[in-house]
Amino acid sequence: GQSLEQPSEVTAVEGAIVQINCTYQTSGFYGLSWYQQHDGGAPTFLSYNALDGLEETGRFSSFLSRSDSYGYLLLQELQMKDSASYFCAAPGGYSTLTFGKGTMLLVSP
Amino acid sequence: EAQVTQNPRYLITVTGKKLTVTCSQNMNHEYMSWYRQDPGLGLRQIYYSMNVEVTDKGDVPEGYKVSRKEKRNFPLILESPSPNQTSLYFCASTRGNSPLHFGNGTRLTVT
Repeated sequence: GQSLEQPSEVTAVEGAIVQINCTYQTSGFYGLSWYQQHDGGAPTFLSYNALDGLEETGRFSSFLSRSDSYGYLLLQELQMKDSASYFCAAPGGYSTLTFGKGTMLLVSP
Repeated sequence: EAQVTQNPRYLITVTGKKLTVTCSQNMNHEYMSWYRQDPGLGLRQIYYSMNVEVTDKGDVPEGYKVSRKEKRNFPLILESPSPNQTSLYFCASTRGNSPLHFGNGTRLTVT
């Protein structure tokens, strides 16, 4: 099975940089995804790392180290609208996707 | 517009009264899944379907049923709801290794 650990809450100010970490234990590993969710709305996909290294998409970047079973989501130039919950997720093959418990990011002025 | 549609958005019911939450997608996705979300527990998978007439249990299937008679629809059935099934439910779909597309959620309260 899959187990993913991430901090429950992170706070930061507008314009800052914040990193949300995710460590995982999996029986098989097919990559790490990140999803964003605002106020109980539909989670939306942010990024996916199949291989080690950094993937950059605008202000958001995601990093994976398979040897350390570790990844992170990096948010730069934080904006108030980035206040949301962020979930890391790992597929267990094609059929399942297991999510971490989520990190609530609070961005203050 | 490509989307996953769940209905209803909100539902309040009583213990033991059978209910169905519908889910439909218009993207011709083979894979569909149901999740429940509870405070502090994140998203937990209930059931998933890899194609028509192919369904399997996720991590928390007890008290739920699903069916996949058509590719676009994947209803979640609670035969005898109990208060511990009060939760926020999400349906999702995808094809291959693409990201999941989620519906807008169904907030269920069982009294």
